[in-house]
Amino acid sequence: KAGVTQTPRYLIKTRGQQVTLSCSPISGHRSVSWYQQTPGQGLQFLFEYFSETQRNKGNFPGRFSGRQFSNSRSEMNVSTLELGDSALYLCASSRGTMNTEAFFGQGTRLTVV
Amino acid sequence: ELKVEQNPLFLSMQEGKNYTIYCNYSTTSDRLYWYRQDPGKSLESLFVLLSNGAVKQEGRLMASLDTKARLSTLHITAAVHDLSATYFCAVDEVSNYQLIWGAGTKLIIKP
Repeated sequence: KAGVTQTPRYLIKTRGQQVTLSCSPISGHRSVSWYQQTPGQGLQFLFEYFSETQRNKGNFPGRFSGRQFSNSRSEMNVSTLELGDSALYLCASSRGTMNTEAFFGQGTRLTVV
Repeated sequence: ELKVEQNPLFLSMQEGKNYTIYCNYSTTSDRLYWYRQDPGKSLESLFVLLSNGAVKQEGRLMASLDTKARLSTLHITAAVHDLSATYFCAVDEVSNYQLIWGAGTKLIIKP
């Protein structure tokens, strides 16, 4: 059974640019969540999608956005990149119903220079 | 606002010793997860605890949940070097479809 796939694994961008990260969940999972991990702030919730609908969004500026497609694959976009956006971005996949375990992808390491 | 506190945040121990990591959370929840993260890697699910009194064991690790005390523990028995990692607990804020994370416990086990 294939796990959660995130692409790309590593990314270097310049301040002011935008970036799109992709996440393919485990087959049959309809929920995709995104988290940002930094040494200073730890793991912070970005947003969660279920069946193409955003059910919740964390406390991040509007530069952070996401979407989910009908095949449950998800993308997140960060516009006008800032140095502080450098982080490991993790995608988690689950069935999306109560008491379900979340499985994480390998993450995308974004470095903004 | 749900808050999750882990302690200790850093733990250095010798192989063969026992120790416990604590995870306290601030609101009622009966869904708690433990994850492991190796340096530069993603999060690996260790335990899913879904009810008061739940206890799960895998190898040298055992996790328990006391929802009345809002406390979960991760106990390490006879630690080995391979268990060196950062361990996170996360509480499921079901109504908001998100996990609230502890800060993580960095565990170093010296051979």
